[in-house]
Amino acid sequence: NAGVTQTPKFRVLKTGQSMTLLCAQDMNHEYMYWYRQDPGMGLRLIHYSVGEGTTAKGEVPDGYNVSRLKKQNFLLGLESAAPSQTSVYFCASSLSGGVSTDTQYFGPGTRLTVL
Amino acid sequence: RKEVEQDPGPFNVPEGATVAFNCTYSNSASQSFFWYRQDCRKEPKLLMSVYSSGNEDGRFTAQLNRASQYISLLIRDSKLSDSATYLCGAGSYQLTFGKGTKLSVIP
Repeated sequence: NAGVTQTPKFRVLKTGQSMTLLCAQDMNHEYMYWYRQDPGMGLRLIHYSVGEGTTAKGEVPDGYNVSRLKKQNFLLGLESAAPSQTSVYFCASSLSGGVSTDTQYFGPGTRLTVL
Repeated sequence: RKEVEQDPGPFNVPEGATVAFNCTYSNSASQSFFWYRQDCRKEPKLLMSVYSSGNEDGRFTAQLNRASQYISLLIRDSKLSDSATYLCGAGSYQLTFGKGTKLSVIP
């Protein structure tokens, strides 16, 4: 099993450009998450999904959109990138969620720089 | 106030030392608690889930105190390979993570 994979690993964008980050998991997990990690800020939840076809906002959703058309994939889109979106983006998945959220497994991350 | 707070660190300890990290959470409805380890420029990896009765895995012991709303991680006989940032996560439905505590184990 590859676990959770993310594409691309690195990307440099200019302000105003758009891009999509892809997350894939092969563990048949129901829940998937997108986080960003900035120095001094820790991991912050952007959006998450509780199953195929569903998405929900997390703590810092502004400027991002997501889609979960297939159970194994969770896409994070930046429509018009801003320098404030320079960050490391981690995708995670868990078998289940709910009140007692299950262990989350993280992908290797995408380092995004917006100039 | 952030929902999950950790000792800011860094903790610099000699090999063989015992070190303890604390993490407080503000959401009293939290049902799930975890400790993750994150190496430099890598993804967080699960170290331990934290159970109400406390749990141990080799040199690592995790405790939960619901009354005071904190979780702790104890590392005994520190190894050089324990050097990393330790993140705590707590929540219900969603996890909120602390900012992490950096540990450096010195020869």
